[in-house]
Order: sequence, then structure tokens, then C-alpha cells
Amino acid sequence: GAVVSQHPSWVICKSGTSVKIECRSLDFQATTMFWYRQFPKQSLMLMATSNEGSKATYEQGVEKDKFLINHASLTLSTLTVTSAHPEDSSFYICSARDRPGGYNEQFFGPGTRLTVL
Amino acid sequence: KNQVEQSPQSLIILEGKNCTLQCNYTVSPFSNLRWYKQDTGRGPVSLTIMTFSENTKSNGRYTATLDADTKQSSLHITASQLSDSASYICVVSLEAGNMLTFGGGTRLMVKP
Repeated sequence: GAVVSQHPSWVICKSGTSVKIECRSLDFQATTMFWYRQFPKQSLMLMATSNEGSKATYEQGVEKDKFLINHASLTLSTLTVTSAHPEDSSFYICSARDRPGGYNEQFFGPGTRLTVL
Repeated sequence: KNQVEQSPQSLIILEGKNCTLQCNYTVSPFSNLRWYKQDTGRGPVSLTIMTFSENTKSNGRYTATLDADTKQSSLHITASQLSDSASYICVVSLEAGNMLTFGGGTRLMVKP
């Protein structure tokens, strides 16, 4: 089956620093990747959608200058949380889709736990 | 407004027992409905996917049903195991585009 990995699995950083999270599709080419954020005991909330080689589309209320997304290749997307603050502490999950149409299947990564001190 | 409502929010059952989780949706136009299992601190893992023409789909001890007329789905877990303790999320996909609508999830705890 399709496998999506994330790195790191967890990260702790100081307030004001930037953190980069990688999302890779290991055995398929991802035309579209998605970034979600999940707070404790809540469901996933879509932050942005990115297509390879083009700018990401951000959901309403998500600051594009704070959450930088780069989808430079068909197997890699990165999310950079810039000038992180404690309220950015959350569980970040990416997903990837190999092609449009069909079931619109998204394969989820294992998530990255970000803690900002 | 497209919404997915799940019930109950949380559930505790004894190991070996069966349980059924519910999902009601108002998403339209509907493409497919999927159930995911999410272990604590992990990403969601797909259990079943159903289109509007499918009434039931099984994956081992997990059986999902779909009634597209009433816009209801259920996930039945048979002979529960301790490893079934997780959140179960109902997700509905719109007919076109990328949009997925997530339910709030049901947190299941299986006790010995």
C-alpha cells in the first residue's frame, strides 16, 4: 500500500525559532499533498493544499507567511513553521494523493508533534 | 453547510464485546465515505471506503455500512481487542475536488 512518512516525528523548539517538517511519499508520486493540524481531542483541520511545482492554497484563517509550504517534487513537501509560538504547538499531519479522481484517496503520514516552549 | 457528525464521542467496552459507531453527514454532492482508525499520536489509517452505491464493506473485524438515502453510516467492530482502542474518524469526500469533511471522531477504549 501507499506509504507516507514524516520527519521528524516530534520536535521541541524555543519560541521565535523556525521548524521544518518533511512529508514524503515513499512508493508513489504525489500530485497533491495536504497539511493538517490536530489539537488534542479534536479532529484534523486542513491547513493547506499543495500541488507539485505550484503555490500552496491555504484555508481561511491560516497565515501563509507563518506556515510556509514547499512542494518541490512529486515525493516531497515541507511545512515550515516560522517564528513559532506556544500556540503553534500541535500535531501536524500530512497526506498525499497520487492522482485526481477515483476515490480521492489520501494517504496520511504518521504525524509530527510540535511543542513550542 | 457540509457537516459530519459522529456518535458517541467516546465509548468504553470490555474486550471481546462488539460495538457500533455512528456517522451522520450532510455533505453534498457526495462522492465517498471512509472510516479511519487513528491511534494516539499517530496519523489516520484507512479502514474502509464506500461510494454511494455500496451498502457495506468489511475489513477483517471492521464492517462499515452506508445508507445514502438517510445519509448515515456505521462502523461495527466485532470481538473487540485491546488494540482497537483508538479514535475512529468518519470522513466524507465531496464529488469533485480535494475537499474532505472530517467528523469529530469517536474515542474507543477497550478494557480487559
